[in-house]
Amino acid sequence: NAGVTQTPKFRVLKTGQSMTLLCAQDMNHEYMYWYRQDPGMGLRLIHYSVGEGTTAKGEVPDGYNVSRLKKQNFLLGLESAAPSQTSVYFCASSYPIDRGWQETQYFGPGTRLLVL
Amino acid sequence: KNEVEQSPQNLTAQEGEFITINCSYSVGISALHWLQQHPGGGIVSLFMLSSGKKKHGRLIATINIQEKHSSLHITASHPRDSAVYICAAGEGGATNKLIFGTGTLLAVQP
Repeated sequence: NAGVTQTPKFRVLKTGQSMTLLCAQDMNHEYMYWYRQDPGMGLRLIHYSVGEGTTAKGEVPDGYNVSRLKKQNFLLGLESAAPSQTSVYFCASSYPIDRGWQETQYFGPGTRLLVL
Repeated sequence: KNEVEQSPQNLTAQEGEFITINCSYSVGISALHWLQQHPGGGIVSLFMLSSGKKKHGRLIATINIQEKHSSLHITASHPRDSAVYICAAGEGGATNKLIFGTGTLLAVQP
């Protein structure tokens, strides 16, 4: 199993350009998450999904959109990139055996994005 | 005030030392997570605990639910333990969302 993979690993964008980050997991996990990690701050949740076809906003959703058309994939889109979106982006997935029980999240290797 | 706070932010130790990293949280939790991130690397889960104590090799995690406090201990520290250690509060419920602390950067010198 590859676990959680992210594409691309690194990208440079100019302000105003758009791009899509792809997260894929082969563990049949129901839940998937997109986070951003910035210096001096903890990981912050951008958007998440609790199942195929569902998405919800996290703590910092502005400027991002997501889609979960297939259970194994979770896409994060930047429609018009801004320098404030320079960050490292992590995807994670988990599978709650019971909805009242917190399950471990498995993380992808991250995508470094630089917006000039 | 952050909902999850860690201390210290930075820690330098000599090889072989006993290390403690602390985490306090102010939210209700389903479980408390400890994660590890090596420089330039990905994030891996070390522990998930909702009570008591767990041990994995030289790593020990404890939690006091009443005091809303958890500690991560590393015994006989080694340079390969150098990493960022992150505490996260699991909200539980139907979303499994985590609230993360800002991390503790640990450097173990030979």
